Amino acid sequence: EVQLVESGGGLVLPGRSLRLACEVSGLPFGDFGVSWVRQAPGEALEWLGFIRSGKYGGTSEYAASVKGRFSISRDDARRIAYLQMTSLRTEDTAMYYCTRVNGGLFDYWGQGTLVTVSS
Amino acid sequence: QSALTQPASVSGSPGQSITISCTGSSADIGSYIYVSWYRQDPGQAPQVIIYDVNKRSSSLSTRFSGSKSGNTASLTISGLQAADEADYYCCSYAGGDTWIFGGGTKLTVL
Repeated sequence: EVQLVESGGGLVLPGRSLRLACEVSGLPFGDFGVSWVRQAPGEALEWLGFIRSGKYGGTSEYAASVKGRFSISRDDARRIAYLQMTSLRTEDTAMYYCTRVNGGLFDYWGQGTLVTVSS
Repeated sequence: QSALTQPASVSGSPGQSITISCTGSSADIGSYIYVSWYRQDPGQAPQVIIYDVNKRSSSLSTRFSGSKSGNTASLTISGLQAADEADYYCCSYAGGDTWIFGGGTKLTVL
């Protein structure tokens, strides 16, 4: 069974940092890229970033809205992708999803982890 | 880059057909076949229903179809059913391993 399980969400003060994790099982983790997508309450999905597989250098790309504040990394041995978020703002409050990238689509999604940025 | 443009809401009666449009630009929809559609039920994660413009995900009813013309993609649902009621999002590859989503459309079955 394929599973992507996000963790690390919670309540955080504005300006602080938070690291989310996405643990993958049931798929050859090292063979594919991972994207992070978020959804603010009552709002649309927003693509945040993508990390390539090791075969393609394990490098990352980011949406302009989070570039410089968010970074994605991966630990293939532990089958985990991370989303490091810094200088958090109230508008970063959202459900954060990780997804497998398969060609041009996101075919497997986690159930999400909620991040609330508030004082 | 701004989100792809979708109607905020669409409605139809059971048995009817509806189409949800998704308008982008030559930098995304107009340049790539990697247009996908996602269905999201309340409190649930999105799930892909259409990919590569018009390919249906496994087990998806043939009532669902996707198309693209120029900078606009469309999702058509025929023979509308109450179970189709959900939020639908389009998504396009935008080059350089980046993607962009639409603003989402709430489908109501009357």
